[in-house]
Amino acid sequence: QSALTQPASVSGSPGQSITISCAGTSSDVGGYNYVSWYQQHPGKAPKVMIYDVSNRPAGVSNRFSGSKSGNTASLTISGLQAEDEADYYCCSYTSSSSFYVFGTGTKVTVL
Amino acid sequence: EVQLVESGGGLVKPGGSLRLSCAASGFTFSSYNMNWVRQAPGKGLEWVSSMITSTYIHYADSVRGRFTISRDNSKNSLYLQMNNLRAEDTGVYYCARDGSSSTHLASWGQGILVTVSS
Repeated sequence: QSALTQPASVSGSPGQSITISCAGTSSDVGGYNYVSWYQQHPGKAPKVMIYDVSNRPAGVSNRFSGSKSGNTASLTISGLQAEDEADYYCCSYTSSSSFYVFGTGTKVTVL
Repeated sequence: EVQLVESGGGLVKPGGSLRLSCAASGFTFSSYNMNWVRQAPGKGLEWVSSMITSTYIHYADSVRGRFTISRDNSKNSLYLQMNNLRAEDTGVYYCARDGSSSTHLASWGQGILVTVSS
């Protein structure tokens, strides 16, 4: 099972919007609405920001939104803030021999 | 409040074994699917294993045949028995709980470091 493909880095200025893509296949991202996104600050455990493609857990800012088109999912962060600087990982259920598959990870930098 | 606390990590020689534990609290442990996820130093997240039921278990290809996931609902604990360890198994291991009505990793432990080196 190959990792989902994400851009290595994305950057933006405070207040701007950025979008992170997550490319998979019909066996994972494209086949199921079980795409989730995780934020990880250095030295910390990951935290779920989006689940089931576009749902936000309680307590997560509505500046974070998710979507999916075909085999590619996306995470958009609007009104970028300094605290959003972190690594972001997508994850999907997969019908392959695995169960979950993570993306390669994207480092978000706030300029 | 959901709490997951990993223990059992440390330094082990290649070919050796280690058993990780994850103590859960703040929720009905027996009602949730549980998972292990790892992260090599400076690298991304890698899913390791999921336990849905006692007979519905999944492993990543990289650990299948060497790692065994198990749970003791009476002790609210999840385990990962790791045998024939390799240098590439080095990393931080996280215990994670699924969502209540969805397939995602809703809650995570703080992680425990496993180092495989001679």
